[in-house]
Amino acid sequence: DTGVSQDPRHKITKRGQNVTFRCDPISEHNRLYWYRQTLGQGPEFLTYFQNEAQLEKSRLLSDRFSAERPKGSFSTLEIQRTEQGDSAMYLCASSLGRADTQYFGPGTRLTVL
Amino acid sequence: KNEVEQSPQNLTAQEGEFITINCSYSVGISALHWLQQHPGGGIVSLFMLSSGKKKHGRLIATINIQEKHSSLHITASHPRDSAVYICAVGGTDKLIFGTGTRLQVFP
Repeated sequence: DTGVSQDPRHKITKRGQNVTFRCDPISEHNRLYWYRQTLGQGPEFLTYFQNEAQLEKSRLLSDRFSAERPKGSFSTLEIQRTEQGDSAMYLCASSLGRADTQYFGPGTRLTVL
Repeated sequence: KNEVEQSPQNLTAQEGEFITINCSYSVGISALHWLQQHPGGGIVSLFMLSSGKKKHGRLIATINIQEKHSSLHITASHPRDSAVYICAVGGTDKLIFGTGTRLQVFP
């Protein structure tokens, strides 16, 4: 299967803990996006990469959030000192290039207790 | 006011009915996307369009750039069409999403 994959699918953590999510895009896709979706809302943009370069970060992405795409392939999203407000579905998407269709992964559902 | 507005928020239909979901946006875009999200979170891209009309099976998407409005139509709706339909607009980078329309089709 060559779709976008995310790991883990579900994560339950206690407030204050650090968590890291991984996204593996479709191979050869240059662009990789992270979105966050809370219950009953549409996804919101967090950040995106063109190859290994992080080109834009949303103001939603506080200092506790960091994302990397070290070799231009997979990406990680880390949240430090998690808060209950971080509970959401974290979605990853990839596209071949700018203005191309974005393909979404299944998401990682984070619950912060 | 949100940059992307969808209507209705919720929609119920009987199997076989013709469905229309509307999307209005207030920002300049290069493309508009219609996405489908099933329970559990998975999002599937249905259409990406920048002008005119596209058709795929029983789904039809139209866009009017001048009026900044798009519609998604489902002909001969079926219970398996039950999902959240999300409109998203974008330039060449990030997408801005509507809050979605929850569709339930009953047999």
